[in-house]
Amino acid sequence: KAGVTQTPRYLIKTRGQQVTLSCSPISGHRSVSWYQQTPGQGLQFLFEYFSETQRNKGNFPGRFSGRQFSNSRSEMNVSTLELGDSALYLCASSLGVSGYQETQYFGPGTRLLVL
Amino acid sequence: GNSVTQMEGPVTLSEEAFLTINCTYTATGYPSLFWYVQYPGEGLQLLLKATKADDKGSNKGFEATYRKETTSFHLEKGSVQVSDSAVYFCALRNRDDKIIFGKGTRLHILP
Repeated sequence: KAGVTQTPRYLIKTRGQQVTLSCSPISGHRSVSWYQQTPGQGLQFLFEYFSETQRNKGNFPGRFSGRQFSNSRSEMNVSTLELGDSALYLCASSLGVSGYQETQYFGPGTRLLVL
Repeated sequence: GNSVTQMEGPVTLSEEAFLTINCTYTATGYPSLFWYVQYPGEGLQLLLKATKADDKGSNKGFEATYRKETTSFHLEKGSVQVSDSAVYFCALRNRDDKIIFGKGTRLHILP
């Protein structure tokens, strides 16, 4: 079974631009979560989607948004990019039925550099 | 609120040494506890988990026991290998809530 895939793997943008990252979960998984990883702040939760609905949200500004499609694929969008948005963005999927006891399976991440 | 505190690294050990990475947590109720590992250039992989008090998670020679009385979930391995060099994250998730990760502990194993 294929793992979680994320595209693109690397991205360079300039301040003020917007970016869209994509995540394809493991087949059969209905929950997708997004995280931002930086050396200073570590791993921070962005949001979680289940069956096209946002189920949980972290403490990020409204410039960060996401959505999930009927096939469980998910996208996250960051508008008006700032230098501090440079990070590794990780996507994780899970079945979504056992909630807090479930294992999340992570993709390799998209490394975003904002210049 | 919920939080996870794990020992800061880097931790440097010689091959075949005993490993302990401390993790303590603050949470209401009975969260699930996890250890994830991140190898260079990769995403996170689940190493082990425990979903209730006194459960012991184990995988690849690593173990951690869910200690409710000390709110801890310390990671241990009896004999580390060079291939264990990675960053280790302790995490918790409470019912109907998001997963919370610790800051991560970088482990270097010397041959």
